[in-house]
Amino acid sequence: ETGVTQTPRHLVMGMTNKKSLKCEQHLGHNAMYWYKQSAKKPLELMFVYSLEERVENNSVPSRFSPECPNSSHLFLHLHTLQPEDSALYLCASSQYRTGGNQPQHFGDGTRLSIL
Amino acid sequence: KNQVEQSPQSLIILEGKNCTLQCNYTVSPFSNLRWYKQDTGRGPVSLTIMTFSENTKSNGRYTATLDADTKQSSLHITASQLSDSASYICVVRRSNTGNQFYFGTGTSLTVIP
Repeated sequence: ETGVTQTPRHLVMGMTNKKSLKCEQHLGHNAMYWYKQSAKKPLELMFVYSLEERVENNSVPSRFSPECPNSSHLFLHLHTLQPEDSALYLCASSQYRTGGNQPQHFGDGTRLSIL
Repeated sequence: KNQVEQSPQSLIILEGKNCTLQCNYTVSPFSNLRWYKQDTGRGPVSLTIMTFSENTKSNGRYTATLDADTKQSSLHITASQLSDSASYICVVRRSNTGNQFYFGTGTSLTVIP
């Protein structure tokens, strides 16, 4: 049990579909993150939410839309994705701005395949 | 340019042997450096976090070192076990920038019996 739960674990969708990824953390953290992990590439930070407000967005395409209804839940809404969006999507949580030395706790990811 | 480079890209060792993984970075200003272990099909798990003033930190059979002057870190694994087979990721946090983390591409370690 990592304390960060992601669903679904695997998702196959067509380019015209709309789906959502879900992340839930049970660690009492106040920051949550979405990362994209592609083969042979470093993790790419997509979105950060701290205290339910988005504080960073690294120029991610608009076909990815995050939602953070409270400090424990995070969603990533997907629509009209492209084949290059196939990757492992990881959610993480941490305590934000308490000296900056707190580890991020990751979920096990959603393996997304775009047909 | 802020970057994190890891070497080797992959490594195969015999069970019971020791190994050392390398991480070089150019991230500035420096806040801290983290090592994560990622098992196949799982998310990364934190092993160590070191700040500027720390030059070594251990977590069981894992020992990380940091030389902030040369901007190099290493992760030493002692008496390797089959369960050590995983990807090891070096991450550097930039200071005063909120959540700017810079990730390496990882070293894939395979321990064989």
